[in-house]
Amino acid sequence: NFMLTQPHSVSESPGKTVTISCTRSSGGIASNFVQWYQQRPGSSPTTVIYENNQRFSGVPLRFSASIDSSSNSASLTISGLKTEDEADYYCQSYTGNNWVFGGGTKLTVL
Amino acid sequence: EVQLMESGGGLVQSGGSLRLSCAGSGFTFSAYWMSWVRRAPGKGLEWVANIQRDGSEKTYVDSVKGRFTISRDNAKNSVYLQMDSLRVEDTAIYYCARCGKYCGGDSLWGQGTLVTVSS
Repeated sequence: NFMLTQPHSVSESPGKTVTISCTRSSGGIASNFVQWYQQRPGSSPTTVIYENNQRFSGVPLRFSASIDSSSNSASLTISGLKTEDEADYYCQSYTGNNWVFGGGTKLTVL
Repeated sequence: EVQLMESGGGLVQSGGSLRLSCAGSGFTFSAYWMSWVRRAPGKGLEWVANIQRDGSEKTYVDSVKGRFTISRDNAKNSVYLQMDSLRVEDTAIYYCARCGKYCGGDSLWGQGTLVTVSS
């Protein structure tokens, strides 16, 4: 099985743009779809991005994602940061029916 | 309303058993794969298991194989997680999700149920 590596934490000011990376350890990043989930403190996870770059219903256009085969990584970009974006973000892919999560990135908006 | 509602969490001693339930409403339950995901205190999300629409295919994370069993009853619009031989490290909030290999555009998450395993 492969691993997905994310930065432990990132921080940025309101109104700015932040990018969270997710690097796949083996196998091509394009081999399987990458998803991104948001989990705010005390809440359930929610789907933000699915199938590499598709925004889930209701997710603002400020959220975008992509994959890069040259770096074997995926990235989630949030522009025009708002305090409500403060949360843990997880990338996820799969092998067969087995899910693989990244370790999660704590986004602080200060 | 389209929703998933988990129940069955609680406090159990190490070595004990617990059965989690997740009831779906507002959608055709039998048309979807279902999954269980957990988050232990201070840790990140961990996928636990998933089950195919008719229950014929089940997949587990290695750490729970042989101890946990996922099942479903489409007539009751419910998916279950039977957890045996529980360990302290199984302590987590358990979420059910309307997801298969991944959560797509029709994904749905429950509110979670807390399982605490004491030593």
